[in-house]
Amino acid sequence: AQSVTQLGSHVSVSEGALVLLRCNYSSSVPPYLFWYVQYPNQGLQLLLKYTTGATLVKGINGFEAEFKKSETSFHLTKPSAHMSDAAEYFCAVSPGGSGGSNYKLTFGKGTLLTVNP
Amino acid sequence: GAVVSQHPSRVICKSGTSVKIECRSLDFQATTMFWYRQFPKKSLMLMATSNEGSKATYEQGVEKDKFLINHASLTLSTLTVTSAHPEDSSFYICSARGGLVGGYTFGSGTRLTVV
Repeated sequence: AQSVTQLGSHVSVSEGALVLLRCNYSSSVPPYLFWYVQYPNQGLQLLLKYTTGATLVKGINGFEAEFKKSETSFHLTKPSAHMSDAAEYFCAVSPGGSGGSNYKLTFGKGTLLTVNP
Repeated sequence: GAVVSQHPSRVICKSGTSVKIECRSLDFQATTMFWYRQFPKKSLMLMATSNEGSKATYEQGVEKDKFLINHASLTLSTLTVTSAHPEDSSFYICSARGGLVGGYTFGSGTRLTVV
């Protein structure tokens, strides 16, 4: 079983400020972790993912996230917010490893990021 | 990179008619396709999982006779909303698994409005 909790349904930052979106997960097996961004009336775009290896993952548009197993967290950060970062962000978890047929993604409820000029 | 093409992007249909939504993986073979429904300002709700050549597995509470899923090939999956009603109006998104390890690629979504 797996679940995702995103703390804060709405985060507001000023342009140029640090962006921190929080994600905690639970998983009965080693997880794969994802962050997606969604703009209005569009599908989801992958920002970054953690599968194995280095726990600090760098993604597109200057975002990065760190997998912390001891804290069961995968928080998303960006040093300096840009107006174009305003969107909905979803954290997701799936069972990791190879084999098996249950590769369902479980999503958090999403965090709306607004960026103020 | 992996691309999933979803069509149509928007559709308006009359109550009682059926609507078909297509999802194609353009440059990889999608061993598994997922169909989601998203309500306004809400997260994605998984409706069903389909593997090529086999019947789809529906999540609890999803009517399999209303939401028909076909995954006839490794590059094409379709969702047909049968006898649509206004309450079926929603944003539907497909996702394909295949290609890179841990990779899920999403379509651009279909906004369905039933009038």
